[in-house]
Amino acid sequence: AQSVTQLDSQVPVFEEAPVELRCNYSSSVSVYLFWYVQYPNQGLQLLLKYLSGSTLVKGINGFEAEFNKSQTSFHLRKPSVHISDTAEYFCAVSAPDSWGKLQFGAGTQVVVTP
Amino acid sequence: NAGVTQTPKFRILKIGQSMTLQCTQDMNHNYMYWYRQDPGMGLKLIYYSVGAGITDKGEVPNGYNVSRSTTEDFPLRLELAAPSQTSVYFCATYSSNVGRTEAFFGQGTRLTVV
Repeated sequence: AQSVTQLDSQVPVFEEAPVELRCNYSSSVSVYLFWYVQYPNQGLQLLLKYLSGSTLVKGINGFEAEFNKSQTSFHLRKPSVHISDTAEYFCAVSAPDSWGKLQFGAGTQVVVTP
Repeated sequence: NAGVTQTPKFRILKIGQSMTLQCTQDMNHNYMYWYRQDPGMGLKLIYYSVGAGITDKGEVPNGYNVSRSTTEDFPLRLELAAPSQTSVYFCATYSSNVGRTEAFFGQGTRLTVV
């Protein structure tokens, strides 16, 4: 079984400042890792994913994440945020042989202020 | 393509009433899921299906039922609504195609049981 811990429930950040959202996971097998974003009253949209290969993954809207196997982490970063990045962000894991079932973290609410 | 479509978007139920949340997809994905989202808890898997006629329980199946008679449709049934089922429900599909391994989510159904 897998589990996911998002270390920050809320992250306030000023516009044009950098942001990092932390995600740690536990698993006895190799996993796929995902970051999803949820804007208010919307469904979830994929930001980026790590399946294999390069540990630095680039996604949409200027986000990137780095997979660190030794620290079992998959932290999400953006060098300069916009007001429109205000949303909830979810880290999720899936084992390759688990029929696509996702285990989600509790989410991190990012609030960007001018 | 519409992707994953959920109906209704909002519903208020009285305790003990029943209802069906509808989910349909036009992406021809075999894997489909129902998740519920509660504040500060992330998303929890209720039921999933790996193809027409095949369903299985997820992490929180009590109080729910599903069926999968076609590839496109995966309805979620609440038989005796309870206040604990107040939540936002998301239907999702999953593609395991090379280069497109990810889940796709509907817009959600916000259910309140009073």
